[in-house]
Amino acid sequence: SQQGEEDPQALSIQEGENATMNCSYKTSINNLQWYRQNSGRGLVHLILIRSNEREKHSGRLRVTLDTSKKSSSLLITASRAADTASYFCAISGGYNKLIFGAGTRLAVHP
Amino acid sequence: DTAVSQTPKYLVTQMGNDKSIKCEQNLGHDTMYWYKQDSKKFLKIMFSYNNKELIINETVPNRFSPKSPDKAHLNLHINSLELGDSAVYFCASSQDSTGGKETQYFGPGTRLLVL
Repeated sequence: SQQGEEDPQALSIQEGENATMNCSYKTSINNLQWYRQNSGRGLVHLILIRSNEREKHSGRLRVTLDTSKKSSSLLITASRAADTASYFCAISGGYNKLIFGAGTRLAVHP
Repeated sequence: DTAVSQTPKYLVTQMGNDKSIKCEQNLGHDTMYWYKQDSKKFLKIMFSYNNKELIINETVPNRFSPKSPDKAHLNLHINSLELGDSAVYFCASSQDSTGGKETQYFGPGTRLLVL
């Protein structure tokens, strides 16, 4: 399967702690994207990292990409209860076809 | 103003019926997509249109037919609905499919339940 596979499947932390989610994939990619999905809602784009980039930041989010290991990680620093959601990585190939992983369910407790 | 909107939000119907889901984006994007999210939250691309031209057509049953009357709209028609079609269907759009314009913006989803 080409799909990204995420680890862990579920993560439970306290507010203020950091949350790290990992994504592995099997094929070559144009870019890798991270999305958030709140319960019962649509997906919200977080970060896009291209295959020639190693790290990107956006606010409290940090994404790394290691194409030699075919893996990416999403770090959320100083987590808040509002960060509670499912986080998906998606690998992008031709025509911007996104192939999603199964997601990591993050619960941040006050 | 909703950037990507879908109607209806909920759809409950009987097996064998034909139904349509509509999607509209007001972002001026050239590319639109349909995804299916199953009960295990797994998301899978179904179709994509760029400037009204079909560019992605994944292995989905022929009962599913997308139609793009213009760049701002991508509708999904489903014939002879089956129980397994029950899922959440998401529409998305992006400025383009390449060249730094790939970020996809998702609609709120249409929850389809086939009885």
